[in-house]
Amino acid sequence: GENVEQHPSTLSVQEGDSAVIKCTYSDSASNYFPWYKQELGKRPQLIIDIRSNVGEKKDQRIAVTLNKTAKHFSLHITETQPEDSAVYFCAASKRDSSYKLIFGSGTRLLVRP
Amino acid sequence: GAVVSQHPSWVICKSGTSVKIECRSLDFQATTMFWYRQFPKQSLMLMATSNEGSKATYEQGVEKDKFLINHASLTLSTLTVTSAHPEDSSFYICSARDGANNYGYTFGSGTRLTVV
Repeated sequence: GENVEQHPSTLSVQEGDSAVIKCTYSDSASNYFPWYKQELGKRPQLIIDIRSNVGEKKDQRIAVTLNKTAKHFSLHITETQPEDSAVYFCAASKRDSSYKLIFGSGTRLLVRP
Repeated sequence: GAVVSQHPSWVICKSGTSVKIECRSLDFQATTMFWYRQFPKQSLMLMATSNEGSKATYEQGVEKDKFLINHASLTLSTLTVTSAHPEDSSFYICSARDGANNYGYTFGSGTRLTVV
């Protein structure tokens, strides 16, 4: 089955700097790659997603890139703010009979004021 | 937008008892429901996938007789933790897929289970 690896596990940046989180996936048939932000004790919140027919997507300070050949995708946050501090998860799924969404191990981002 | 209501938000039970967690899709038909377990400071681990009207498919290592999943309608899925033990204490969260939206996953708010 699908396996998603995520790095780094923790990331500390200065306010205003950029943050990059990287994920790799194992199943070449995966075609949907969302990124979630999770506050402690809360549900994951979708912040951006990308489909396999697109190489890059941007939404204000957040962008995601996808390299299908290498089977990896990355989250880029620019001009980080303290409120960006949270745990971020990447995930992958494919449009087969199950549509299972498999999560990476998570990255704890700390933005220092 | 799509909403999934999950109840209870937290529950404390004694060892050996069973606990039922409900997830309801409020404004769409959840053709598929996923159940996840999340231990502190860890990722969401998929436990099982259920489709309305059929038996759930469990991930490797998840005991189907311990974690009973029912998806009797397009708007309701339940997870029952049977004979709960302290090691079952965790954050359980459901996620519903709207059959009309191939890429949409809507998460419940989660249930914090503590077994004492």
